Parts: sequence; structure tokens; C-alpha cells
Amino acid sequence: DTEVTQTPKHLVMGMTNKKSLKCEQHMGHRAMYWYKQKAKKPPELMFVYSYEKLSINESVPSRFSPECPNSSLLNLHLHALQPEDSALYLCASSPRTLGLAGDASTDTQYFGPGTRLTVL
Amino acid sequence: RKEVEQDPGPFNVPEGATVAFNCTYSNSASQSFFWYRQDCRKEPKLLMSVYSSGNEDGRFTAQLNRASQYISLLIRDSKLSDSATYLCVVEPSNDYKLSFGAGTTVTVRA
Repeated sequence: DTEVTQTPKHLVMGMTNKKSLKCEQHMGHRAMYWYKQKAKKPPELMFVYSYEKLSINESVPSRFSPECPNSSLLNLHLHALQPEDSALYLCASSPRTLGLAGDASTDTQYFGPGTRLTVL
Repeated sequence: RKEVEQDPGPFNVPEGATVAFNCTYSNSASQSFFWYRQDCRKEPKLLMSVYSSGNEDGRFTAQLNRASQYISLLIRDSKLSDSATYLCVVEPSNDYKLSFGAGTTVTVRA
């Protein structure tokens, strides 16, 4: 089972709203990721959690606030977003086990279906 | 120079045809390589990892050329369901970050 689930599937919010995106995986993966994807562009990394600790923040504006309550859950809290933040927000997870260099199967990211966010 | 570059296509091929395309990467120390497919308005899905010796999964064959720093994907006996954007993905170093190509669009026509 390589399933990552995300809720909600769609979200429309105003610029003054506060909302949260949720991501869950039960594969025992120890790394979880948030990506933002605009139309016809590849995903852009936002945050990485490794063993429930924030390890990478790709200079994301503070109106996006990640949270990792436990090893299976990842949230993205949204506040005072701008219309240009409208995009597909993808969650991913990976096992992040140590392995031999060059072993591509050591750490493969699996993506959830995404939340399509529209900011009005 | 972008870390991962792909021919955006589109590649328009008839059913049953063979289609192949490459991607190049800039960091010679890169260790992990993947092909993902992404359907319109859906998430990327892992198609296959790419190993140094090359690997095959059914109609799909991936090759890695470290000397020239490119990976390739070949699709044999194309099906309509193969129509998608194929993302070349490289992990330049062992630091959780993936570098994505912009994607190659393949359209298989009946």
C-alpha cells in the first residue's frame, strides 16, 4: 500500500480566512513533504519534515505554517493568503531509510492526490 | 542552467508506436533518478526508479548514462492510457530534495 491521503480535495478561501490542509500516511514513512504546483509547472518543494522535525523550509512566506503532530500526519495551516497562492498543494512521503549510495529504491517519494486551492 | 532539463514535447504518436525521450541533469554527483507520470490535474505517480544498469517494467524501459548525465525513458507498444506528462526527477544529493524536470508531454492517438 503506497497511499497518501489529503483533505480537502478542493478549497476556496478568502484572503482573510484561516484554513488547514491535512495529509496522512500509514506506510511508516519518516519523511513528509509539502509541495506547491502551478498549472503546467513541476512541483515546487515548500517544507520537509524528517522524523517529525522540520528539516527544510524553502523560504516559504509565513502565511504558510506547517505542522507535524505525529509520524503519520502533516498539516499546512493557511492564513491571509494571496490570490497568487492558488495552486495544487501536494503532500508526499518517503521511507527515508538508510541504504547504499545509488540505490534509488532507498527513498522514493509517494504523492497524495493534492488539494486544489483557490484564493479569492 | 537548470538542474534537470527535458524536451517538453509534445510527442504525438499512434497507438502501438514506440516513443522515447531523454532528460539531462547537471549535478554529476546525483545518486537517485526516477520517472513519474502525471495526468492532467492529478498528482505525480511513480512510474519507475532508474538504476545504473538500466531497468525494464513491462513496456517501459529506463536507462541511465552517468558519463553523459542523462536518463531516458522508452515506451513500447504505446497505449491510449500512456497519454500523460512524464516528469524526470533527480535527487542531486542525499538531502530530501528532488529536482524535477518540466515534464515531457506524450499524446497517444487512436
